[in-house]
Amino acid sequence: QVQLQESGPGLVKPSETLSLTCTVSGDSISNSYWSWIRQSPGKGLEWIGYISYSGTTNYNPSLKSRATISVDTSKNQFSLTLTSVTAADTAIYYCARAMTLASRYCSGGRCYWFDPWGQGTLVTVSS
Amino acid sequence: SYELTQPPSVSVSPGQPASITCSADKLGSRYASWYQQKPGQSPVLVIYEDNKRPSGIPERFSGSNSGDTATLTISGTQAVDEADYYCQAWDSRSPVVFGGGTKLTVL
Repeated sequence: QVQLQESGPGLVKPSETLSLTCTVSGDSISNSYWSWIRQSPGKGLEWIGYISYSGTTNYNPSLKSRATISVDTSKNQFSLTLTSVTAADTAIYYCARAMTLASRYCSGGRCYWFDPWGQGTLVTVSS
Repeated sequence: SYELTQPPSVSVSPGQPASITCSADKLGSRYASWYQQKPGQSPVLVIYEDNKRPSGIPERFSGSNSGDTATLTISGTQAVDEADYYCQAWDSRSPVVFGGGTKLTVL
């Protein structure tokens, strides 16, 4: 059974960098795609980005290049850094395994869905 | 930008079918997925590729997608199905887009 667990600081100051790690158990990080998704308090879901098993990344254009996702295969972990944070980045951050399907009916020839998800970690941006 | 539109809320009586819609231009030409999120919990995938159920998801959950609308249907809705439900697809700028979510209330 695949399980994911987020970890990282719960409080980050404005203009600083948010850093989170997701530890994966039950699956090799090299076998799948992995993603970060966030949810502002009382709001909906916002996809942040993914990293593939080959290291290819793709990000939500709305984050304007502030996000970076990386993988540490030796620790079976992947990480998120988000620079220049503001109060608008306060959210529950989830990591998830991204399942994929190659199809001409998908963006760039590949569709994604997310299963399973980690329990989520609340990150508050405040001075 | 491409927006997935969901009704903010849907109410249903126990034992009755519940339908939650997700609308966008030509959504039927794209695969849709659905997630269930109960209060204080992380989302759970309930439907992918329009109408496929992951293992462990009850058979009362089903999905369809045609024209401009994807629909999640729960037959014989139970109190445990009360949750927020989110649809997900893609657009030309992003491979992942989520709908705004629908709160399902089982009265």
